[in-house]
Amino acid sequence: EPEVTQTPSHQVTQMGQEVILRCVPISNHLYFYWYRQILGQKVEFLVSFYNNEISEKSEIFDDQFSVERPDGSNFTLKIRSTKLEDSAMYFCASSGDRAGQETQYFGPGTRLLVL
Amino acid sequence: RKEVEQDPGPFNVPEGATVAFNCTYSNSASQSFFWYRQDCRKEPKLLMSVYSSGNEDGRFTAQLNRASQYISLLIRDSKLSDSATYLCVVNAGGGNKLTFGTGTQLKVEL
Repeated sequence: EPEVTQTPSHQVTQMGQEVILRCVPISNHLYFYWYRQILGQKVEFLVSFYNNEISEKSEIFDDQFSVERPDGSNFTLKIRSTKLEDSAMYFCASSGDRAGQETQYFGPGTRLLVL
Repeated sequence: RKEVEQDPGPFNVPEGATVAFNCTYSNSASQSFFWYRQDCRKEPKLLMSVYSSGNEDGRFTAQLNRASQYISLLIRDSKLSDSATYLCVVNAGGGNKLTFGTGTQLKVEL
C-alpha cells in the first residue's frame, strides 16, 4: 500500500538555526500539506500546496516558514530561524483530489526539538 | 466556540463494551467529516469518513447531524487494540484544510 514517508524521524536543533523537513507524498497525489502537533495539543494545519504553489496557509505559517517541491517526488518544509515554540511533531500529508472529499494520508511525522 | 469540540476523556471501558464519542463543529459550511485514529506519538490514520446518511464499517458506525452540527462515532465489541485517541476532523470547504478536534482518548481494559 502506498504511503507518505518523512525524513528525518527526529531532529534536534539550536534556536535560530534553519531546518528542512522532507516528505515524499504518495506518488499519484496532487495536493500536499503540512500540519504540526505540539505535545499534548491538537493537530494544526500549516499549509496546503498544489500545482507548485501555496493554495492556503494558516496564521502559524509566517515568513519563517516556506515550502517547496524541488523535484517530482519531494515536498519540503523549511523553518528559517527556529524558535523554542517551533518544537512539535510535523506531519506531511497528501491527497489526490481538490474537492475536499478526498482523504488526506499522513506520514509518520518528524519530531522537531528546538533547544 | 472551538471549531471542533470533543470530550477529551479518557473513556475507560472493558473489552467487549460499546462506546460512543461525540463531536460538535462550529462552521455550518463544513462539507466533509472524518474520524481519524491516533496512537501515542504516531500519525493520524483515517478510521472512516462520515456521510450524511450515516455509515458503518464493521464494528464502527458514524453518524452526522448537519442541523445540530454534530458527529458521532460508535464502537461495538471494543477490543484492546481499539485503545487510542479518536480525532474528529472537519473540512470546512473552499479548500482542503482539515480542522482537528483535540481528540477523545479511549482505553479498553481486560
